Amino acid sequence: EIVLTQSPDTLSLSPGERATLSCRASQSVHRFLAWYQQKPGQAPRLLIYDASTRAAGIPARFSGSGSGTAFTLTISSLEPEDFAVYYCQQRSNRFTFGQGTKLEIK
Amino acid sequence: QVKLQESGPGLVKPWETLSVTCTLSDGSIINNYWSWIRQSPGKAPEWIGYIHDSGNTEVYYRQTTNYNPSLESRATISVDRSKNQFSLKLTSLSGADTATYFCARMVDAFDIWGLGTMVIVSS
Repeated sequence: EIVLTQSPDTLSLSPGERATLSCRASQSVHRFLAWYQQKPGQAPRLLIYDASTRAAGIPARFSGSGSGTAFTLTISSLEPEDFAVYYCQQRSNRFTFGQGTKLEIK
Repeated sequence: QVKLQESGPGLVKPWETLSVTCTLSDGSIINNYWSWIRQSPGKAPEWIGYIHDSGNTEVYYRQTTNYNPSLESRATISVDRSKNQFSLKLTSLSGADTATYFCARMVDAFDIWGLGTMVIVSS
């Protein structure tokens, strides 16, 4: 099983700041990595797939990068609605999720 | 755009079998990968498995399934084309199976999700 480790567990920032979230895979997942946002009581929402492709309707402030075992989700300027939990997920070998990063308001 | 809606029993006893169903609206179940994913309170999502129905009407048509190895012995996913639904059965339940169960479409990633159905395993 491919294990995804996200860091940090919690990120405290203010609106307008830049957020950088990391996801590291236990073995190469090539570029088969996605990022999701989840708010309480809701299903995860797809943000990025194939490491850097924004899903339909996702604002340009969300961007993804990386390949192999190291990936990054960047939110260029935080909006109030961006504070949520973020998960990475790989599809290189079946499907696994990272443990999540909680983005909270400072 | 396709919409997904889960339905489930809410409360199930230990050792019983869970049955949850996902109904599609505004889309076809044919030629897509449909997954079940669960999420225990405060935890990350966990993929359970997927099914793909090619829609082939010949005698030897095949539905393809793939499961999380940790759940493979207890999980079965099936499709009902006539109802545009797919379902999950999970046997021998324990408290560790308490979770919200989501259905989702897989196209490069899980791009469409249902709202989820909460399942509590308790006597």
